[in-house]
Amino acid sequence: DVKVTQSSRYLVKRTGEKVFLECVQDMDHENMFWYRQDPGLGLRLIYFSYDVKMKEKGDIPEGYSVSREKKERFSLILESASTNQTSMYLCASSLFTGDYNEQFFGPGTRLTVL
Amino acid sequence: KNQVEQSPQSLIILEGKNCTLQCNYTVSPFSNLRWYKQDTGRGPVSLTIMTFSENTKSNGRYTATLDADTKQSSLHITASQLSDSASYICVVSASAPGGYNKLIFGAGTRLAVHP
Repeated sequence: DVKVTQSSRYLVKRTGEKVFLECVQDMDHENMFWYRQDPGLGLRLIYFSYDVKMKEKGDIPEGYSVSREKKERFSLILESASTNQTSMYLCASSLFTGDYNEQFFGPGTRLTVL
Repeated sequence: KNQVEQSPQSLIILEGKNCTLQCNYTVSPFSNLRWYKQDTGRGPVSLTIMTFSENTKSNGRYTATLDADTKQSSLHITASQLSDSASYICVVSASAPGGYNKLIFGAGTRLAVHP
């Protein structure tokens, strides 16, 4: 079974802090994704990566950056956390990017910025 | 604009009853449609996937249908169980150049099954 793990289930940070969210997958997937999930909205793509050291902006990249130094690990960075970044953050990975692009999700990190 | 809309937003049913969740989409070019189940506090898990040529797919008590002409899909749950309480998310994949399909997520239907 594919396993996607995220470093924290719950996180509370203060406005202005630098925040790191870590994601690790164990299935040698090329592609990894970061989403945020807010009530009443569908998942929105922040960034994705289709190879080590490669990254692409998603639909809402402002205020975020990412790092992919190893194939299995994809980090989301909030350089200076703000209250409007309070959300559920979901990491996903997939083997393919085309028609059979099932994404496997981690359990999520619920981030609260005070 | 690519969009996926789900209805109802929330639903309460009694254990043992059937229910149907709806998904309408305006996504082009269409590649496939998935239904995901998301338990509270967990990530989504894929239930079914359908391509353009498929109009029904079952996974146990879950049956998904797809009408590519009207751009509608439904997820039917038979003989509901308490463990079916979750959010159900419709996700449509749009083909993109280079094979990097884009996923468009619906906001989900929150289902509560009561004893």
